[in-house]
Amino acid sequence: KAGVTQTPRYLIKTRGQQVTLSCSPISGHRSVSWYQQTPGQGLQFLFEYFSETQRNKGNFPGRFSGRQFSNSRSEMNVSTLELGDSALYLCASRPNWGQTSGRSAYEQYFGPGTRLTVT
Amino acid sequence: AQKVTQAQTEISVVEKEDVTLDCVYETRDTTYYLFWYKQPPSGELVFLIRRNSFDEQNEISGRYSWNFQKSTSSFNFTITASQVVDSAVYFCALTLGGFQKLVFGTGTRLLVSP
Repeated sequence: KAGVTQTPRYLIKTRGQQVTLSCSPISGHRSVSWYQQTPGQGLQFLFEYFSETQRNKGNFPGRFSGRQFSNSRSEMNVSTLELGDSALYLCASRPNWGQTSGRSAYEQYFGPGTRLTVT
Repeated sequence: AQKVTQAQTEISVVEKEDVTLDCVYETRDTTYYLFWYKQPPSGELVFLIRRNSFDEQNEISGRYSWNFQKSTSSFNFTITASQVVDSAVYFCALTLGGFQKLVFGTGTRLLVSP
């Protein structure tokens, strides 16, 4: 099975702009989560989507938003970029409850990330 | 609230040495799930293992082994006969399940020199 894919891998944006990142989960996975990784704050949870609905949200300002499509692909958007938004954005997907692949629905599988630099 | 502590910021070893990465967690819930992830320089978080709170059985997978002790709230990771390819940042994480987030520790950078 192909893993989680994220596009683009690298982005350079200017302060004040907006950006959209894309994530395609492992085939058959319906849950997608997003995490931000920075040297100062470490790995922080942004939000999780399941069947096109946001199920959980982290402590980030409203400039950070996301959505999920019917094919489980997800996008996250950051508006009015700030220097502090420079980070590695990681997307993860996980198996659905009831899948008999031997994996747990709580195991999250991560993509390679999108490295966003805001100048 | 849940918390994961990885007190070791960086560990340096020489190839073939054994190394143990420590992880201490905090939660008031009785059901939870613990994980270890490896992050090589490429950036992707690679899943290594999951352990459920109701299963304290230790696990060995090749050169990797994990010691889960609820009495001390620890979930330590040992690499036997380390190799240069083991060089990476290792994260311990915890979730309560459902749609609860993964709470990560700050990571331990492991440097294995030849």
